[in-house]
Amino acid sequence: GQQVMQIPQYQHVQEGEDFTTYCNSSTTLSNIQWYKQRPGGHPVFLIQLVKSGEVKKQKRLTFQFGEAKKNSSLHITATQTTDVGTYFCAGRGGNNRLAFGKGNQVVVIP
Amino acid sequence: NAGVTQTPKFRVLKTGQSMTLLCAQDMNHEYMYWYRQDPGMGLRLIHYSVGEGTTAKGEVPDGYNVSRLKKQNFLLGLESAAPSQTSVYFCASSYSPRPNTEAFFGQGTRLTVV
Repeated sequence: GQQVMQIPQYQHVQEGEDFTTYCNSSTTLSNIQWYKQRPGGHPVFLIQLVKSGEVKKQKRLTFQFGEAKKNSSLHITATQTTDVGTYFCAGRGGNNRLAFGKGNQVVVIP
Repeated sequence: NAGVTQTPKFRVLKTGQSMTLLCAQDMNHEYMYWYRQDPGMGLRLIHYSVGEGTTAKGEVPDGYNVSRLKKQNFLLGLESAAPSQTSVYFCASSYSPRPNTEAFFGQGTRLTVV
């Protein structure tokens, strides 16, 4: 079945630095979604990418969808303490399931 | 709008007891999902529904049953709780007939089975 893998699983990032988290699928995806979960909270939708090679930006966040639509990345610049949390990618397959990766837990060091 | 509401928020069960988790959404969404979240395991899909009266198994369905008798409600049942079912459970919903839309999550239910 469809699997979505995220690397790394954990990151410690110094405040002010940049970091990237990656998402890889074993199959071609029709789209990829990114969510953020704050500690103790629930996942909240960030963005969806649909087109091959698509790049979208939200302030300090840059999202990319690979040309083969099997991988994606999230790059955050000038990390702030509010960026702490777990970032999930999710892909939808032909069976309408929304499959999540294991997430990238980000700790921000002040 | 309340969005997606889960009840209860917390529960402690003894092994062998049964319980039902309720998920209600007021967005007229067709798709509803139940996930469990365990440390290091991400969000794993238990069961899902693509419309009223329909249900389907996810990746970890054993030990759980679901029902979608009304479009706005998706119930998750544990017939005989086991310690391995200690987890945080999230319900989510998304719009239909376009599947390429975001999922809205409830606040979660923290379940402990002792």
